Amino acid sequence: NAGVTQTPKFQVLKTGQSMTLQCAQDMNHEYMSWYRQDPGMGLRLIHYSVGAGITDQGEVPNGYNVSRSTTEDFPLRLLSAAPSQTSVYFCASSYQGGGYTFGSGTRLTVV
Amino acid sequence: GQQLNQSPQSMFIQEGEDVSMNCTSSSIFNTWLWYKQDPGEGPVLLIALYKAGELTSNGRLTAQFGITRKDSFLNISASIPSDVGIYFCAGLTGNQFYFGTGTSLTVIP
Repeated sequence: NAGVTQTPKFQVLKTGQSMTLQCAQDMNHEYMSWYRQDPGMGLRLIHYSVGAGITDQGEVPNGYNVSRSTTEDFPLRLLSAAPSQTSVYFCASSYQGGGYTFGSGTRLTVV
Repeated sequence: GQQLNQSPQSMFIQEGEDVSMNCTSSSIFNTWLWYKQDPGEGPVLLIALYKAGELTSNGRLTAQFGITRKDSFLNISASIPSDVGIYFCAGLTGNQFYFGTGTSLTVIP
């Protein structure tokens, strides 16, 4: 039982490049979310999903896309990376009403 | 988004001391969670609270869901060096969890 798996752990991008951050969970959780963590800002919600085929925007969705074609996977796409997207990204999953289980994070630097 | 005010921002305590931290909001939440984050890791769930007034313990940790549903408290008794880390509160409203900005705890042996 791996929990929530995020890849890659580290990534450096050039401004304007695109990439996909992968997230997979093996707990059959309906809910999945992406957060970014910046110093002094806590965790801010980017996008979330309450089930396969359903996604919605969080607090800071601009510049990011998501899709949820299966219960297990919830990839986050950066369309055209900007330095302001330098951050630590966390994927999390839960059953309805439960507490989130977090992945170990992806540390992204955009230069 | 919702604002969760977490205090204090940081604490420096001696090993063996008790710790108290809290989280307040102008909004009502249906669930309160407390997480701990170690450096380089994702947050780990410590305690979940589902009902106003609920008091729940997990070992040396005790958390309470405020009666007004706008606040929550976390206490750590007899702190030890491995309690070092950042503690986050999170409140659930609708389908979204909102997180506080964290309390950084340093335990001095």
